[in-house]
Amino acid sequence: GNSVTQMEGPVTLSEEAFLTINCTYTATGYPSLFWYVQYPGEGLQLLLKATKADDKGSNKGFEATYRKETTSFHLEKGSVQVSDSAVYFCALIAANDYKLSFGAGTTVTVRA
Amino acid sequence: EAGVVQSPRYKIIEKKQPVAFWCNPISGHNTLYWYRQNLGQGPELLIRYENEEAVDDSQLPKDRFSAERLKGVDSTLKIQPAELGDSAVYLCASSTTPGSYEQYFGPGTRLTVT
Repeated sequence: GNSVTQMEGPVTLSEEAFLTINCTYTATGYPSLFWYVQYPGEGLQLLLKATKADDKGSNKGFEATYRKETTSFHLEKGSVQVSDSAVYFCALIAANDYKLSFGAGTTVTVRA
Repeated sequence: EAGVVQSPRYKIIEKKQPVAFWCNPISGHNTLYWYRQNLGQGPELLIRYENEEAVDDSQLPKDRFSAERLKGVDSTLKIQPAELGDSAVYLCASSTTPGSYEQYFGPGTRLTVT
């Protein structure tokens, strides 16, 4: 079946530090890959996406590249801010499917 | 544009009691999803509607869970009777088209069963 494995948290960083959250997946064919973010007290929001191999999704200073050879979609940000404190979920939709499969989420706390 | 609205935000009930959650999707979104998110895990799909039709309810525990979307807009998810293991956050999401990855999520209802 389809599954997503992401780095366990929690992750605590200082402001302006570099953030990486690892995500690997198992799926048949060529899935679409996503990062969702959940800020405190809010619903999940789509952060970025990539729909084919070697695509790079980017938004709000975050980036992730679809790596077919390593089945990975790691999230990175070069300089985090306190406002980036949230739970980050890696997810996929398998080819010819509609169902989002989520990882367990990684809690990130950025301290001033 | 208003987002997905859910109520209540929090609910505490005793086991064996019934409970219901309500969702109002974004206007014009024909596809509606209910997810359950257990503590420390990602959301898992319970049911998906296309308009008023439940097109995928394979993950819904039908012995105690039921859902409806009578007019193809608002939806209600019910649990009767609730069990301790039902404690979770219940998320509603909507999208414009079937299979769209652009799913817009509500804030969720946090259910605690004691």
